[in-house]
Amino acid sequence: GNSVTQMEGPVTLSEEAFLTINCTYTATGYPSLFWYVQYPGEGLQLLLKATKADDKGSNKGFEATYRKETTSFHLEKGSVQVSDSAVYFCALDSGGGADGLTFGKGTHLIIQP
Amino acid sequence: ETGVTQSPTHLIKTRGQQVTLRCSSQSGHNTVSWYQQALGQGPQFIFQYYREEENGRGNFPPRFSGLQFPNYSSELNVNALELDDSALYLCASSLLRGRTDTQYFGPGTRLTVL
Repeated sequence: GNSVTQMEGPVTLSEEAFLTINCTYTATGYPSLFWYVQYPGEGLQLLLKATKADDKGSNKGFEATYRKETTSFHLEKGSVQVSDSAVYFCALDSGGGADGLTFGKGTHLIIQP
Repeated sequence: ETGVTQSPTHLIKTRGQQVTLRCSSQSGHNTVSWYQQALGQGPQFIFQYYREEENGRGNFPPRFSGLQFPNYSSELNVNALELDDSALYLCASSLLRGRTDTQYFGPGTRLTVL
């Protein structure tokens, strides 16, 4: 079956540090890959997505590249801000929606001023 | 454009009771999915509805059931509540049901079962 593995948190960084959150996946077929972010007390917001191999998704300074050869979709940002503190979820969709999104367990990111 | 809304925000029930959660999809979206998010975990897929028909289901027992209405709003019903049903229930809508379509999430309903 499908699965997503992402690095355990919490991850604590200083403001303006470089961020990498690792995500690897197992899936049948050719999944689409997503990063969602969840701020305290809120629902999930789409951060970025990529729908085929070698695609790069980007938004708000965050980037992730769909690497089929390593089955990975690592999230990166060059300079984090305190406002980036949240829980980040990597997810995939391989079944045309019928299997829903498969999520990782989430990575709690804490940015200190 | 109105986003995905859910009601109620919070709910407290006792074991064995039944509960109905509601969701209004984003305007123009004909597909809705429901997820259960336990504390400290990622969301787990419950089921998806497309044009009022169940389109897919995750590993949840039959006491979890749903409906989608002609205006594409949706309900999640849970019978015979168990303590482990305590979680944040998220509704998500999408324009279509393909794997490339983005699912837009509502703020969730926090269910506590005592």
